[in-house]
Amino acid sequence: EPEVTQTPSHQVTQMGQEVILRCVPISNHLYFYWYRQILGQKVEFLVSFYNNEISEKSEIFDDQFSVERPDGSNFTLKIRSTKLEDSAMYFCASRLSQPQHFGDGTRLSIL
Amino acid sequence: DQQVKQNSPSLSVQEGRISILNCDYTNSMFDYFLWYKKYPAEGPTFLISISSIKDKNEDGRFTVFLNKSAKHLSLHIVPSQPGDSAVYFCAASAATDSWGKLQFGAGTQVVVTP
Repeated sequence: EPEVTQTPSHQVTQMGQEVILRCVPISNHLYFYWYRQILGQKVEFLVSFYNNEISEKSEIFDDQFSVERPDGSNFTLKIRSTKLEDSAMYFCASRLSQPQHFGDGTRLSIL
Repeated sequence: DQQVKQNSPSLSVQEGRISILNCDYTNSMFDYFLWYKKYPAEGPTFLISISSIKDKNEDGRFTVFLNKSAKHLSLHIVPSQPGDSAVYFCAASAATDSWGKLQFGAGTQVVVTP
């Protein structure tokens, strides 16, 4: 069964550094999402992406965040200058209709 | 933002018995509800969903019930198996949201004991 894949599984970065999280959604899907889960908290929506542009973003998704689908297969989340509070699990999801299918996540640790 | 609530952080159930997980929501615009299961170090895996035009949906051992007037849904797992031990998330999306973002509950940790 096709699945969403995310790399790396764990990323350790110094505060203030840029980080790029990568996702390969399911190939025929058209809607793409990033969510995050801070330890002990809920899974929170960050951004949705459709037709090569952001369709919706949450308050969390400020100017430090950006998303891109550079080559029709990868879907990336970039954090320009990481903060300690960016430490979380980041999940990519995609769908054609319903439901959303999630990757296994990238654990981002900011030191 | 507490639009989706799972008030039971944990549930312990014996193998073979029924597991009942509950979820409440506050946003009357939610029209599609999902349950996801999550093992450690893995992403949420879709389990079952229900549209607001229905009050029940069944898939094998899993049944979801929706009570719109009470803004409440529940997931029944019968019979429970050891492999069902996981965190279960309730999620919802709103008809007014064309892009289908999901709002999640906090999750319920289910432990199925032999």
